[in-house]
Amino acid sequence: EDKVVQSPLSLVVHEGDTVTLNCSYEVTNFRSLLWYKQEKKAPTFLFMLTSSGIEKKSGRLSSILDKKELFSILNITATQTGDSAVYLCAVDPGSYQLTFGKGTKLSVIP
Amino acid sequence: KAGVTQTPRYLIKTRGQQVTLSCSPISGHRSVSWYQQTPGQGLQFLFEYFSETQRNKGNFPGRFSGRQFSNSRSEMNVSTLELGDSALYLCASSRGQGTDIQYFGAGTRLSVL
Repeated sequence: EDKVVQSPLSLVVHEGDTVTLNCSYEVTNFRSLLWYKQEKKAPTFLFMLTSSGIEKKSGRLSSILDKKELFSILNITATQTGDSAVYLCAVDPGSYQLTFGKGTKLSVIP
Repeated sequence: KAGVTQTPRYLIKTRGQQVTLSCSPISGHRSVSWYQQTPGQGLQFLFEYFSETQRNKGNFPGRFSGRQFSNSRSEMNVSTLELGDSALYLCASSRGQGTDIQYFGAGTRLSVL
């Protein structure tokens, strides 16, 4: 059975801190790993990673994938209160059937 | 470009009833996937449709069914509702071919009393 594990499950930081969210996976097939941010309802897309060692960046957010060790990290630098959300990691095995982790709830305190 | 649209946003039903949820994908997207999100289980895959055909199905009972129309809009039906069906139901659309990104709608919050 495919499995995606995220850690930590929750995290409280102060504005300006840097955070690292972890995602490890065990899947039969792998096509891509995706990160989403969920604030209220709709998960919004952040990154899609397919190749090892290539960092994806968007502003203060960045992510990297290690296909040998089967994990990915999501970094957020200079956190802001608007970064407070649940961050979801998902693996696409190539069948459009995403397997999600339970998410990391990030709370940023002013 | 309009995003993924789900209707209704909220539903309250009683046990034993049935419910139909609707999802309109992003224009040009031919794949629609459905997920159930609960606090305990997180996001779990229900099924995926591409060009009116179900390509994949998750581990849910037969009370959960769906279909897709020729315009790629999709509906999901749950019959004989149980209390445990209370959840946020999310649909996601994508092109449905190759390495792809699924874009999510805001979901339908179903409460079963």
